[in-house]
Amino acid sequence: SQKIEQNSEALNIQEGKTATLTCNYTNYSPAYLQWYRQDPGRGPVFLLLIRENEKEKRKERLKVTFDTTLKQSLFHITASQPADSATYLCALDPSGTYKYIFGTGTRLKVLA
Amino acid sequence: EPEVTQTPSHQVTQMGQEVILRCVPISNHLYFYWYRQILGQKVEFLVSFYNNEISEKSEIFDDQFSVERPDGSNFTLKIRSTKLEDSAMYFCASSAQGARTGELFFGEGSRLTVL
Repeated sequence: SQKIEQNSEALNIQEGKTATLTCNYTNYSPAYLQWYRQDPGRGPVFLLLIRENEKEKRKERLKVTFDTTLKQSLFHITASQPADSATYLCALDPSGTYKYIFGTGTRLKVLA
Repeated sequence: EPEVTQTPSHQVTQMGQEVILRCVPISNHLYFYWYRQILGQKVEFLVSFYNNEISEKSEIFDDQFSVERPDGSNFTLKIRSTKLEDSAMYFCASSAQGARTGELFFGEGSRLTVL
Protein backbone atom coordinates (compact mmCIF):
# COMPACT_ATOMS: atom_id res chain seq x y z
CA SER A 1 0.00 0.00 0.00
CA GLN A 2 1.05 3.59 -0.46
CA LYS A 3 2.33 5.41 2.61
CA ILE A 4 3.88 8.71 3.61
CA GLU A 5 5.65 8.47 6.94
CA GLN A 6 6.98 11.17 9.16
CA ASN A 7 8.40 10.74 12.61
CA SER A 8 5.31 10.89 14.77
CA GLU A 9 7.29 11.62 17.90
CA ALA A 10 7.87 15.24 18.76
CA LEU A 11 11.31 16.64 18.10
CA ASN A 12 12.75 18.93 20.79
CA ILE A 13 15.88 20.93 20.02
CA GLN A 14 17.74 23.83 21.53
CA GLU A 15 17.46 27.29 20.02
CA GLY A 16 20.21 27.92 17.50
CA LYS A 17 20.61 24.28 16.51
CA THR A 18 19.60 22.74 13.19
CA ALA A 19 16.36 20.76 13.14
CA THR A 20 16.14 17.89 10.66
CA LEU A 21 12.80 16.30 9.87
CA THR A 22 12.30 13.21 7.73
CA CYS A 23 9.61 12.25 5.23
CA ASN A 24 9.65 8.74 3.80
CA TYR A 25 7.26 7.40 1.23
CA THR A 26 6.58 3.97 -0.23
CA ASN A 27 4.97 2.84 -3.46
CA TYR A 28 4.89 6.33 -4.91
CA SER A 29 6.99 7.91 -7.60
CA PRO A 30 6.16 11.57 -7.15
CA ALA A 31 7.60 14.13 -9.49
CA TYR A 32 7.75 16.64 -6.65
CA LEU A 33 7.19 17.00 -2.93
CA GLN A 34 6.04 19.90 -0.77
CA TRP A 35 6.54 20.92 2.86
CA TYR A 36 4.00 22.80 4.95
CA ARG A 37 3.90 24.26 8.44
CA GLN A 38 0.82 23.89 10.62
CA ASP A 39 0.21 25.71 13.88
CA PRO A 40 -2.39 24.37 16.35
CA GLY A 41 -5.95 24.97 15.17
CA ARG A 42 -4.85 26.60 11.92
CA GLY A 43 -4.56 25.62 8.28
CA PRO A 44 -1.28 24.40 6.77
CA VAL A 45 0.99 27.05 5.27
CA PHE A 46 3.18 26.27 2.27
CA LEU A 47 6.95 26.45 2.78
CA LEU A 48 8.84 24.79 -0.08
CA LEU A 49 8.39 22.63 -3.15
CA ILE A 50 11.13 20.41 -4.56
CA ARG A 51 11.05 18.59 -7.89
CA GLU A 52 12.43 15.12 -8.58
CA ASN A 53 15.28 16.53 -10.64
CA GLU A 54 16.33 18.88 -7.83
CA LYS A 55 18.58 17.45 -5.15
CA GLU A 56 18.23 20.42 -2.83
CA LYS A 57 16.15 23.58 -2.41
CA ARG A 58 16.76 26.48 -0.05
CA LYS A 59 14.72 29.37 1.25
CA GLU A 60 16.24 31.56 3.95
CA ARG A 61 16.90 29.24 6.92
CA LEU A 62 15.06 26.32 5.32
CA LYS A 63 16.58 23.56 3.22
CA VAL A 64 14.88 20.57 1.64
CA THR A 65 16.48 17.56 -0.02
CA PHE A 66 14.80 14.95 -2.17
CA ASP A 67 16.26 11.50 -2.76
CA THR A 68 14.05 9.57 -5.16
CA THR A 69 16.23 6.47 -4.81
CA LEU A 70 15.81 6.36 -1.03
CA LYS A 71 12.24 7.68 -1.39
CA GLN A 72 12.99 10.25 1.23
CA SER A 73 12.92 14.00 1.76
CA LEU A 74 14.76 15.78 4.55
CA PHE A 75 13.67 19.19 5.84
CA HIS A 76 16.21 21.29 7.71
CA ILE A 77 15.75 24.48 9.72
CA THR A 78 19.06 26.10 10.56
CA ALA A 79 19.59 28.50 13.47
CA SER A 80 16.24 27.41 14.86
CA GLN A 81 14.14 29.79 16.93
CA PRO A 82 11.26 29.21 19.37
CA ALA A 83 8.96 30.75 16.73
CA ASP A 84 9.77 27.77 14.50
CA SER A 85 7.87 25.51 16.92
CA ALA A 86 5.02 23.96 14.93
CA THR A 87 4.02 20.77 13.14
CA TYR A 88 5.69 20.26 9.77
CA LEU A 89 3.94 18.27 7.07
CA CYS A 90 5.25 16.77 3.88
CA ALA A 91 2.87 16.28 0.98
CA LEU A 92 2.92 14.84 -2.51
CA ASP A 93 0.65 14.37 -5.48
CA PRO A 94 1.35 10.77 -6.49
CA SER A 95 -0.16 10.77 -9.92
CA GLY A 96 -0.56 14.41 -10.85
CA THR A 97 -4.32 14.16 -10.58
CA TYR A 98 -4.79 16.92 -8.00
CA LYS A 99 -5.09 14.44 -5.13
CA TYR A 100 -2.59 15.81 -2.67
CA ILE A 101 -1.61 13.41 0.11
CA PHE A 102 -0.17 14.62 3.42
CA GLY A 103 2.05 12.85 5.90
CA THR A 104 1.16 12.64 9.57
CA GLY A 105 3.46 15.53 10.42
CA THR A 106 6.27 15.96 12.92
CA ARG A 107 5.83 18.35 15.83
CA LEU A 108 8.91 20.46 16.39
CA LYS A 109 9.56 22.31 19.64
CA VAL A 110 12.48 24.72 19.81
CA LEU A 111 13.55 25.35 23.38
CA ALA A 112 14.85 28.78 24.39
CA GLU B 1 -2.29 39.54 0.84
CA PRO B 2 -5.06 37.43 -0.72
CA GLU B 3 -6.37 34.64 1.43
CA VAL B 4 -8.86 31.79 1.48
CA THR B 5 -11.76 32.50 3.83
CA GLN B 6 -14.03 29.91 5.39
CA THR B 7 -17.33 30.15 7.23
CA PRO B 8 -18.46 29.24 9.76
CA SER B 9 -15.41 28.92 11.95
CA HIS B 10 -17.27 26.48 14.19
CA GLN B 11 -20.54 24.65 13.72
CA VAL B 12 -22.28 22.35 16.13
CA THR B 13 -24.99 20.10 14.69
CA GLN B 14 -27.09 17.13 15.59
CA MET B 15 -26.42 13.76 14.00
CA GLY B 16 -28.46 13.34 10.82
CA GLN B 17 -28.63 17.06 10.05
CA GLU B 18 -27.35 18.62 6.84
CA VAL B 19 -24.36 20.95 7.03
CA ILE B 20 -22.97 23.34 4.44
CA LEU B 21 -19.44 24.67 4.85
CA ARG B 22 -18.52 27.68 2.77
CA CYS B 23 -15.25 28.83 1.29
CA VAL B 24 -14.16 31.82 -0.76
CA PRO B 25 -10.98 30.82 -2.60
CA ILE B 26 -8.39 33.31 -3.82
CA SER B 27 -9.95 35.12 -6.75
CA ASN B 28 -7.68 34.13 -9.65
CA HIS B 29 -7.22 30.54 -8.56
CA LEU B 30 -8.59 27.71 -10.65
CA TYR B 31 -8.21 24.61 -8.51
CA PHE B 32 -10.14 24.04 -5.32
CA TYR B 33 -9.91 21.42 -2.60
CA TRP B 34 -11.50 20.23 0.59
CA TYR B 35 -9.49 18.45 3.25
CA ARG B 36 -10.41 17.34 6.72
CA GLN B 37 -8.41 16.79 9.89
CA ILE B 38 -9.81 14.79 12.76
CA LEU B 39 -8.37 16.03 16.05
CA GLY B 40 -4.83 14.78 16.51
CA GLN B 41 -4.73 13.07 13.12
CA LYS B 42 -3.35 13.89 9.71
CA VAL B 43 -4.75 16.18 7.05
CA GLU B 44 -6.86 13.97 4.76
CA PHE B 45 -7.78 14.69 1.15
CA LEU B 46 -11.51 14.74 0.40
CA VAL B 47 -11.99 16.19 -3.07
CA SER B 48 -10.46 18.38 -5.75
CA PHE B 49 -12.44 20.54 -8.17
CA TYR B 50 -11.46 22.15 -11.45
CA ASN B 51 -13.40 23.62 -14.35
CA ASN B 52 -16.68 23.13 -12.52
CA GLU B 53 -16.30 19.46 -11.94
CA ILE B 54 -14.72 17.06 -9.49
CA SER B 55 -11.19 16.07 -10.57
CA GLU B 56 -10.48 13.53 -7.90
CA LYS B 57 -12.12 12.30 -4.71
CA SER B 58 -11.10 10.04 -1.87
CA GLU B 59 -12.83 7.04 -0.35
CA ILE B 60 -14.02 9.33 2.45
CA PHE B 61 -15.99 11.44 -0.04
CA ASP B 62 -19.02 9.19 -0.34
CA ASP B 63 -22.59 9.93 -1.41
CA GLN B 64 -23.17 11.95 1.75
CA PHE B 65 -20.76 14.60 0.52
CA SER B 66 -21.13 17.02 -2.35
CA VAL B 67 -19.34 20.14 -3.56
CA GLU B 68 -20.54 23.08 -5.55
CA ARG B 69 -19.29 26.36 -6.93
CA PRO B 70 -22.62 28.10 -7.21
CA ASP B 71 -21.67 31.63 -8.19
CA GLY B 72 -18.08 31.79 -9.37
CA SER B 73 -16.71 32.88 -6.02
CA ASN B 74 -17.98 30.54 -3.32
CA PHE B 75 -17.00 26.89 -3.05
CA THR B 76 -19.17 24.81 -0.74
CA LEU B 77 -19.00 21.41 0.89
CA LYS B 78 -22.31 19.82 1.85
CA ILE B 79 -22.71 16.89 4.18
CA ARG B 80 -26.24 15.58 3.76
CA SER B 81 -26.74 13.56 6.92
CA THR B 82 -23.97 14.08 9.43
CA LYS B 83 -22.54 11.26 11.49
CA LEU B 84 -20.56 11.44 14.73
CA GLU B 85 -17.41 10.49 12.84
CA ASP B 86 -17.77 13.57 10.61
CA SER B 87 -16.62 15.69 13.54
CA ALA B 88 -13.39 17.27 12.34
CA MET B 89 -11.76 20.45 11.10
CA TYR B 90 -12.56 20.98 7.44
CA PHE B 91 -10.06 22.95 5.39
CA CYS B 92 -10.67 24.53 2.03
CA ALA B 93 -7.67 25.19 -0.20
CA SER B 94 -7.07 26.73 -3.59
CA SER B 95 -4.25 26.74 -6.06
CA ALA B 96 -3.40 28.85 -9.08
CA GLN B 97 -1.85 26.10 -11.14
CA GLY B 98 -2.96 22.82 -9.73
CA ALA B 99 -1.32 20.71 -7.10
CA ARG B 100 1.41 19.43 -9.38
CA THR B 101 3.51 22.55 -9.35
CA GLY B 102 1.66 25.10 -7.33
CA GLU B 103 1.34 25.58 -3.63
CA LEU B 104 -1.95 25.09 -1.90
CA PHE B 105 -3.34 28.05 0.01
CA PHE B 106 -5.42 26.87 2.94
CA GLY B 107 -8.15 28.63 4.84
CA GLU B 108 -8.27 28.66 8.61
CA GLY B 109 -10.79 25.86 8.68
CA SER B 110 -14.33 25.18 9.84
CA ARG B 111 -14.60 23.06 12.94
CA LEU B 112 -17.59 20.73 12.75
CA THR B 113 -18.89 19.09 15.90
CA VAL B 114 -21.59 16.45 15.46
CA LEU B 115 -23.52 15.54 18.61
